[in-house]
Amino acid sequence: QKEVEQNSGPLSVPEGAIASLNCTYSDRGSQSFFWYRQYSGKSPELIMSIYSNGDKEDGRFTAQLNKASQYVSLLIRDSQPSDSATYLCAVRKGNNRLAFGKGNQVVVIP
Amino acid sequence: GAVVSQHPSRVICKSGTSVKIECRSLDFQATTMFWYRQFPKQSLMLMATSNEGSKATYEQGVEKDKFLINHASLTLSTLTVTSAHPEDSSFYICSARSGPTDTQYFGPGTRLTVL
Repeated sequence: QKEVEQNSGPLSVPEGAIASLNCTYSDRGSQSFFWYRQYSGKSPELIMSIYSNGDKEDGRFTAQLNKASQYVSLLIRDSQPSDSATYLCAVRKGNNRLAFGKGNQVVVIP
Repeated sequence: GAVVSQHPSRVICKSGTSVKIECRSLDFQATTMFWYRQFPKQSLMLMATSNEGSKATYEQGVEKDKFLINHASLTLSTLTVTSAHPEDSSFYICSARSGPTDTQYFGPGTRLTVL
């Protein structure tokens, strides 16, 4: 079982719609979770971090964490063409290392 | 705040040569720096963890004699790819972590092409 799994294929959403991304992790003891956005050819940039069960909102982004079910999700409201990117889920491991999922590509259609 | 730079941004070299990549935290002291590699359409793979003043910790399967890491100060870590071969061509990205937080801030990456 992979440490972090993001299984959905490319996600196409119309501009203004909500994009929903999911991520599951294998280590039940994990405490810190992150969503990064990566544009093609660029390095990742941090969007959200979440540590507690429930929702965390920051602008148009909402991260949701359910430790009992071992999943983290990211909602992007009012999707914009500039949101078109690959979104990486990351989970902190021992010694502050991060394990990344393979990413979900989001395409926002104007 | 939390800016991390990398140099060079792009390098092309001949097979068998060595390439050094620098990673700097510009506005904070990085107790720990991390080096990742990313092949096209794949996710980031952690190569090693670098702590200032101590030897780097390499992930399983990463050759420490091939990928030399030096973390001489709290703001600078270097990765040297020794005797580079075409299969080492990849996007190398560093990240830096400040002491009290577990957030990692990524550099812009270095695209290495070995001919």
